[in-house]
Amino acid sequence: AQSVTQLDSQVPVFEEAPVELRCNYSSSVSVYLFWYVQYPNQGLQLLLKYLSGSTLVESINGFEAEFNKSQTSFHLRKPSVHISDTAEYFCAGTSGTYKYIFGTGTRLKVLA
Amino acid sequence: NAGVTQTPKFQVLKTGQSMTLQCAQDMNHNSMYWYRQDPGMGLRLIYYSASEGTTDKGEVPNGYNVSRLNKREFSLRLESAAPSQTSVYFCASLAGEAFFGQGTRLTVV
Repeated sequence: AQSVTQLDSQVPVFEEAPVELRCNYSSSVSVYLFWYVQYPNQGLQLLLKYLSGSTLVESINGFEAEFNKSQTSFHLRKPSVHISDTAEYFCAGTSGTYKYIFGTGTRLKVLA
Repeated sequence: NAGVTQTPKFQVLKTGQSMTLQCAQDMNHNSMYWYRQDPGMGLRLIYYSASEGTTDKGEVPNGYNVSRLNKREFSLRLESAAPSQTSVYFCASLAGEAFFGQGTRLTVV
């Protein structure tokens, strides 16, 4: 079955510390992978995406994710977080069909 | 740039009432989706439409119906609302990546 698994429901981290949000996918959704961010009371916004090519993808606000086929992972990282990064982050994938599968989300709480 | 527009933003229904959530996109996308978001469960797909005139069930279609009347609009209908349908509903359109509306917060009492 197609699935996207986010291993951590909540991640607290101090400001300026590094963070990694974990995402694993089943092989049937390995073609295209995404990270979305949701700020309180808002819809989801695309953070970054892997479609093909370089396995390391970056966003404009300092996040990066690496597609690792052997470990079926697409973990999201940032070397130094800010208070403004506090949000919920969703990993998603699709095998190229019309079904777009989301993980259950990880709440990132950045502490001062 | 309107993107994906959902109406209403908030709604309170009594058990058994019906309502339709509206969604429109102005990006000329073929694919549109309806999700519900519940705490700890992420986004679950209710229905999707790969193109105008076609619809398919997602993970949690029971209690819902959809209509894709044209390329722009994809509506979600609750025929007889139940408390279990209290949730935040998101519409999205897809072209490679998903573009989301701002959501409809529905409470069924």
